[in-house]
Amino acid sequence: EVQMVESGGVVVQPGGSLRLSCVASGFSFKDYAMNWVRQIPGKGLEWVSLISWDGGSTRYGDSVKGRFTISRNNSANSLYLELKSLTAEDGALYYCVKDIGGGFSGNSYGFDKWGQGTLVTVSS
Amino acid sequence: EIVLTQSPGTLSLSPGERATLSCRASQTIISDYLAWYQQKPGQAPRLVMFGASNRASGISDRFSGSGSGTDFTLTISRLEPADFAVYYCQQYGTSPITFGPGTKVDIK
Repeated sequence: EVQMVESGGVVVQPGGSLRLSCVASGFSFKDYAMNWVRQIPGKGLEWVSLISWDGGSTRYGDSVKGRFTISRNNSANSLYLELKSLTAEDGALYYCVKDIGGGFSGNSYGFDKWGQGTLVTVSS
Repeated sequence: EIVLTQSPGTLSLSPGERATLSCRASQTIISDYLAWYQQKPGQAPRLVMFGASNRASGISDRFSGSGSGTDFTLTISRLEPADFAVYYCQQYGTSPITFGPGTKVDIK
């Protein structure tokens, strides 16, 4: 069974930083692109970032570009998201999401499996 | 970025009825890279359709997708209780990947 388990969500002060992690299982992690998607509870979905199967290509949403960094460790079946310069608008449930494709040239083919998310709250 | 508009915002129907959800893009979606996701309260989204008209694994054939270019439709032929949820469309052909605001299908 494909599974993604996110962790790292905490309450952080504005301007602060944190790192989210996601451990994947049940599929060949090294062959697929991965994404982060966030959702303010009760609101819509916002794509945050994509990383290709080998980490060679990354893409970011406009609202996080320059502040967030996506990375992966294929040996550990793990995906990460480094968040910096956080504002209240970054507070959300962050989902780790498997792509249908390998993410060659940073392209997505859709998102076929989602984790349950980890909650980030930005508050003083 | 490509802006997706979904209509209606809420669709109130009875079990057994047909649901027609619309997703319109502000510009042409490359290769019809348009997906639909279903989300129920307290759950993560679930892929329903990708490539505009390809059902995801485990999705009932009561779900069908159509459209190309800028106008896409998700149709649920006969609503069952488990189908009542919020549906989001997404384009993944052009970065940044974007989602529509969602259509809530609720029980009339």
